[in-house]
Amino acid sequence: DQQVKQNSPSLSVQEGRISILNCDYTNSMFDYFLWYKKYPAEGPTFLISISSIKDKNEDGRFTVFLNKSAKHLSLHIVPSQPGDSAVYFCAASSQTGANNLFFGTGTRLTVIP
Amino acid sequence: DAGITQSPRHKVTETGTPVTLRCHQTENHRYMYWYRQDPGHGLRLIHYSYGVKDTDKGEVSDGYSVSRSKTEDFLLTLESATSSQTSVYFCAITQGSNEQYFGPGTRLTVT
Repeated sequence: DQQVKQNSPSLSVQEGRISILNCDYTNSMFDYFLWYKKYPAEGPTFLISISSIKDKNEDGRFTVFLNKSAKHLSLHIVPSQPGDSAVYFCAASSQTGANNLFFGTGTRLTVIP
Repeated sequence: DAGITQSPRHKVTETGTPVTLRCHQTENHRYMYWYRQDPGHGLRLIHYSYGVKDTDKGEVSDGYSVSRSKTEDFLLTLESATSSQTSVYFCAITQGSNEQYFGPGTRLTVT
C-alpha cells in the first residue's frame, strides 16, 4: 500500500510562472519529508527537505510547505525555468530507526519556454 | 557529489541466472541502501546496511540478498533472476540528517 502519494503524474507550466507539485502521505509516524529531482538516465538528486516541526522551508527558488493536519506537502518552484523540467519525487521518513525513505510515484514537470 | 559509483551501468541477463550489482562509495558513509525504480511505483527499498556485515530487509526484499564486507562496498545479488526483476536499481547513502544521495543507477533487463 502506497504510503506516499503523488496524484498528478504530470504538470506543464510556462517559463517564469509558478510550479506547484503536491504530495500526500498516510503514515502519521513520518516526521521528515524530502523532494528529489530526477533527470533521465541519472540518479535522483536531493532538492529540499522539511522536518515536521516546521511548516515551511525555503531554498532559493524552491519552497516546501507542510500541512501536518492534512498530511500534505507541496513544492513550489518560482520562477520556473526550462532546466527544471524533470520528474519530481516526494519522500518521507521517520527519524527513528534507519531513516528509510518511502517515495511517491513521481510527477513529471515540463516547463515550456 | 557523494562519491557513489555503481557497476555495471547496464546489464542484460537471462531468466534463472545469478546477477550481482555493486555499489561503491569513497566517503566512509555508514548507511547504504538499494532501491529499485519501476513505473507506477516510484522508488522502493530492497535492502539497507547500517554497517559492515549489518544489513536488513526493506519493502521489496524477496528474491534479493545483500552483503557488505567492507564499508565502501554494498553488493546486491539476484540469486536466480526473473523477468519481474527487470528494473533500474539505485544505490544510496545517507549524508546529513535524513538526506539520501543516490548513485547513477544500473539498468537491468532479464529476458
